[in-house]
Amino acid sequence: DQQVKQNSPSLSVQEGRISILNCDYTNSMFDYFLWYKKYPAEGPTFLISISSIKDKNEDGRFTVFLNKSAKHLSLHIVPSQPGDSAVYFCAASANTGKLIFGQGTTLQVKP
Amino acid sequence: NAGVTQTPKFRVLKTGQSMTLLCAQDMNHEYMYWYRQDPGMGLRLIHYSVGEGTTAKGEVPDGYNVSRLKKQNFLLGLESAAPSQTSVYFCASSFRTVLDQPQHFGDGTRLSIL
Repeated sequence: DQQVKQNSPSLSVQEGRISILNCDYTNSMFDYFLWYKKYPAEGPTFLISISSIKDKNEDGRFTVFLNKSAKHLSLHIVPSQPGDSAVYFCAASANTGKLIFGQGTTLQVKP
Repeated sequence: NAGVTQTPKFRVLKTGQSMTLLCAQDMNHEYMYWYRQDPGMGLRLIHYSVGEGTTAKGEVPDGYNVSRLKKQNFLLGLESAAPSQTSVYFCASSFRTVLDQPQHFGDGTRLSIL
């Protein structure tokens, strides 16, 4: 039973355009959500997070949106750069310290 | 400041062999975690520890054991390796809860079991 789902295995966008990565969850007890970025042969690195009391969090080119009623979050990257090409994981927590990860979405940004 | 260091980086085992993966962190984090990553399945939590001398089961604990004898180290053991345990293993650490600070990951151990 996949509690956190990233239904798009891959996404390709042109440099300078917007990248939108999506994530759905089923557990209403989740109250904190994170996005991690992973390059090949490296560990995931934290990108941005959002608490369930907010619906938007912004950090530079990265913005995460949370729609609690739809149990959906998205990561927007504007403008996309070739260095953003990586696998992106969304993760959720019920304030236990334990994270439940989605399957990941591979983003390719073409020059 | 190394962060989270995993050893070894690669290993090939035969079915039935045993081995221990070592994770070391220098950030004085309380919590430590072991995950495995398999194609199309994201990262799944194997075991975790909320402090020195404590361990707890995650989503997929069968076939693995762990120990946290020192705050900075978290060991993952495979007593009798099986081909189904072929995976990339990641260690992570964090302060008490997700809200304090996100988990920091090592670069992984790629384990193949023949």
